[in-house]
Amino acid sequence: EAGVAQSPRYKIIEKRQSVAFWCNPISGHATLYWYQQILGQGPKLLIQFQNNGVVDDSQLPKDRFSAERLKGVDSTLKIQPAKLEDSAVYLCASRETHTDTQYFGPGTRLTVL
Amino acid sequence: DAKTTQPPSMDCAEGRAANLPCNHSTISGNEYVYWYRQIHSQGPQYIIHGLKNNETNEMASLIITEDRKSSTLILPHATLRDTAVYYCIVIVTQAGTALIFGKGTTLSVSS
Repeated sequence: EAGVAQSPRYKIIEKRQSVAFWCNPISGHATLYWYQQILGQGPKLLIQFQNNGVVDDSQLPKDRFSAERLKGVDSTLKIQPAKLEDSAVYLCASRETHTDTQYFGPGTRLTVL
Repeated sequence: DAKTTQPPSMDCAEGRAANLPCNHSTISGNEYVYWYRQIHSQGPQYIIHGLKNNETNEMASLIITEDRKSSTLILPHATLRDTAVYYCIVIVTQAGTALIFGKGTTLSVSS
């Protein structure tokens, strides 16, 4: 079974530029999560989708971050404009309903200069 | 905030058992204990979970105290590849709730 795919794996941008990350969850997983992991800390939820609807985006900085999952499968997370403090690893996860287990992708490491 | 407390770091010799403790004294009756680990530069990986009975799978064993206020993850024969940050997480299962990660325990396995 293929795992959660994310791209790109690494991205370096200047502050005030925009950037987008892509995630393809495991086939059949209805719930998808985006987490942000700052160096030295555990991952923190940014947004949660159930199919193509948003379940929880309370921690998403909506003035600069946006996310969508238009067809209920793959998802994109965008930052515009980026700030220095957005430097982090952005992790995508999808949930296997029967076991309630989340499977994580390898993450995208963003560096904002 | 995370509902669990874990030691920041532990060391283990290769081939020996690694016992990672977790305190979750405020756990509710419908909350499960989940363990994930994160190897350097990778996404977190599911290890095991349980409600009140001890659990075992091909990766590890989970021992939960009778009062459910603490648990121990056991890696029976640690290898160098088990060096990682281990997270103990308490959540209501089947609710699809996002995971709340603390700082975890950094396990260092050495030869």
